[in-house]
Amino acid sequence: SAVISQKPSRDICQRGTSLTIQCQVDSQVTMMFWYRQQPGQSLTLIATANQGSEATYESGFVIDKFPISRPNLTFSTLTVSNMSPEDSSIYLCSVKEETQYFGPGTRLLVL
Amino acid sequence: GEDVEQSLFLSVREGDSSVINCTYTDSSSTYLYWYKQEPGAGLQLLTYIFSNMDMKQDQRLTVLLNKKDKHLSLRIADTQTGDSAIYFCAEWVNTGFQKLVFGTGTRLLVSP
Repeated sequence: SAVISQKPSRDICQRGTSLTIQCQVDSQVTMMFWYRQQPGQSLTLIATANQGSEATYESGFVIDKFPISRPNLTFSTLTVSNMSPEDSSIYLCSVKEETQYFGPGTRLLVL
Repeated sequence: GEDVEQSLFLSVREGDSSVINCTYTDSSSTYLYWYKQEPGAGLQLLTYIFSNMDMKQDQRLTVLLNKKDKHLSLRIADTQTGDSAIYFCAEWVNTGFQKLVFGTGTRLLVSP
């Protein structure tokens, strides 16, 4: 199974700033995703990170707020832009091989 | 449509069996998953079942799938206090963009 690491593991940020989260996978994977888990809630898909092209965003999520890069088959970044306290969540990177695995998550608190 | 529903809470005594239920709506689902999330921890994949199966057993875990009723269940035998966590079912959706859609999560509390 793929081993996924994320950086940072947690952060506390001021409103109006931006944070870039990195996701590194130990093998090449075709399908890579970014999810958000708001406090006490389930997981919601933000977007599919496509290698070599623009990410595919779910309804309610836009590129200006959550720009995503996927320069190769093992790495992706998610930026949370112009943050507000409502962005306080866990952000998880995920990959699909024969099954779907998740990274440890990045816990973000926006003050 | 994509809608995955679970009951919010389940409480059992140690040693009993736990059954967590899930209903989904997308008939194109190929894989259905169960994940476990302990407090402050990440998501752990417990097991999954392919849509052409109706049962899968893995040690203390039994997954039952009723495709006609779009109903999935996870049975945990001999439940232990360490099983206390939130359990999410999720379906892999193939209509349009492929993606994993999560249920609302069931909080399992196991008391001694």
